[in-house]
Amino acid sequence: GNSVTQMEGPVTLSEEAFLTINCTYTATGYPSLFWYVQYPGEGLQLLLKATKADDKGSNKGFEATYRKETTSFHLEKGSVQVSDSAVYFCALSALNTGNQFYFGTGTSLTVIP
Amino acid sequence: NAGVTQTPKFQVLKTGQSMTLQCAQDMNHEYMSWYRQDPGMGLRLIHYSVGAGITDQGEVPNGYNVSRSTTEDFPLRLLSAAPSQTSVYFCASSDPSARGAKETQYFGPGTRLLVL
Repeated sequence: GNSVTQMEGPVTLSEEAFLTINCTYTATGYPSLFWYVQYPGEGLQLLLKATKADDKGSNKGFEATYRKETTSFHLEKGSVQVSDSAVYFCALSALNTGNQFYFGTGTSLTVIP
Repeated sequence: NAGVTQTPKFQVLKTGQSMTLQCAQDMNHEYMSWYRQDPGMGLRLIHYSVGAGITDQGEVPNGYNVSRSTTEDFPLRLLSAAPSQTSVYFCASSDPSARGAKETQYFGPGTRLLVL
């Protein structure tokens, strides 16, 4: 079946530190991969995505590369800011399940000044 | 476009009461879904719908009913509220035919439910 496993949190970093949040997936066929971000008290919003192998999604300084050989989609940012404090969800959508979305459990990030 | 809207934002219920969480979208999306979010458990799919008149169960459907009489609306009904249903509920919609740049799932702001 389809599933997403992401790095356990919480993660606490100092401002300007490098961020990596690991995400691996299991899927039949060729899923699309997503990172969503949830700021305190809000709903989820799309951060970036990649729809085929070797694609790189990027937005607001965050990047993730679709690696089919390792079934991974790790989220990275070179220099985090306090405003990046949020919960990050990795997700996939798969054609074989009518584009139903599958989410990881979320990783909480706190950036301290 | 308002996107996905949810009402109410916050609700307190007593055990055994019933209520309906409202969800509406104005993007003409065929696919709509309800999730609950609990600490340490991420998002769990309750029910989903691939179009008007069609609904199906997700991972945690017990205690919830849905209907989809129009493309725009997808209400979630709690039949007899229990403390275990205390959670944050999110409605989402997407266009299942979208590929590439248009492929994503849009979320509402959430409803916080407390069952005493």
